[in-house]
This record gives sequence, structure tokens and C-alpha cells, in this order.
Amino acid sequence: KNEVEQSPQNLTAQEGEFITINCSYSVGISALHWLQQHPGGGIVSLFMLSSGKKKHGRLIATINIQEKHSSLHITASHPRDSAVYICAVKNPSGSRLTFGEGTQLTVNP
Amino acid sequence: DAGVTQSPTHLIKTRGQHVTLRCSPISGHKSVSWYQQVLGQGPQFIFQYYEKEERGRGNFPDRFSARQFPNYSSELNVNALLLGDSALYLCASSLAHATTEAFFGQGTRLTVV
Repeated sequence: KNEVEQSPQNLTAQEGEFITINCSYSVGISALHWLQQHPGGGIVSLFMLSSGKKKHGRLIATINIQEKHSSLHITASHPRDSAVYICAVKNPSGSRLTFGEGTQLTVNP
Repeated sequence: DAGVTQSPTHLIKTRGQHVTLRCSPISGHKSVSWYQQVLGQGPQFIFQYYEKEERGRGNFPDRFSARQFPNYSSELNVNALLLGDSALYLCASSLAHATTEAFFGQGTRLTVV
């Protein structure tokens, strides 16, 4: 079993829909990252959080430390949101990130 | 201010050859980490360097090595390349190695033929 599990693996939505991507982890962490990866490979950091909730524009990330679970929500989705979304956890010493397999999101117009 | 820069962006090598990949962190960042991302999978941790010392190493063979220079830039070296080394190699930098956010470069796409 992977230390970081994401669901779903693939997600197709219609423009305007509310989207949720889930991440569960089985190890101790100092922080959790949500990342976005477009074709071509570049990774953009969306959030780093260690408790509670953060919001940037249409993106919201939450984390429940007790349940070892985090969610990424996208409100009013748009085709430009189409990308791979990756959850990654930082170990307690902060020396490494462990990544989930990613969720391929496709938003159709 | 420039972000994390990696060079080259693309590279084709033959089995058995050696490759050196380079990473320049964001100015002021002292921590650099390297990750390998095989097509269709999430990135896998290779190395972390902080203040020019190795602070973490993933489950990769000794063919993989790295170093960090006094200006905090870093090189990843891979010897005796195998077909399975074909991947996107990502570099991430952060201010310190424990609790700060990581910023990623665009990656180097290595193809071994």
C-alpha cells in the first residue's frame, strides 16, 4: 500500500462543476502540499498546509490531521483547470516529499 | 526574481553513458531536492541537500549521485544509464529543509535509448 493515496485517479467534469480530490496518508507528516502539473511536466505549488483550511481564489484545501486526510476543492471549474493534481506529504524532519500518484482532471466546456 | 531553473530541458543519451543535470534554486534558498518522475507515476525522492550536505537519500542505486555547490546550485549525476532511467527529473528548492514550501523547476526530460 502506498504511503500517499489519492482518489479518484481520473476525473472528468463539465465546466462550472464543483470538484473534490481526496488524499489519504499513512505516515507522520510535518506538512502536506497540493501541486498542479500540466503537460510538459512543470509543477506548481498550490498549497502547503499543516492544519485547517486554506483558500486561493476558486481553490480550497483542507486537512484533518487526526484522520490523515486532505481534500482539494475547485469551485466553478473551468477547462483551464485541466491538469494533474498531486498530493505530497513532507516527512517530520522535512527532508523529503512523498507523492501520491496524481489525479488527472479534465474539465470539458 | 527567477524561479528554480533546470538545465538542460531535454536530453537524449545512450545506454551506458553518463549524464549530469543541473539545478539553480531560487535566490536565498539553501535546500535543493531531486525527484524522478516516470511517465504516468508520481515523483520519487532521490536526494535532498541542505547547506551543501546530503540530508536525505531515496531508494536509488549508487549510480545516482549529487552535490551542492557553495552558491547552493546542485548537480545530479547518473552513471551507466539504463533504459529505465528515462524520466522527468525534477528539482525543488526551499528556504530551509524542515517546514518551508518547496518550489519546483520545469524539469529535465531524459530519454535513454
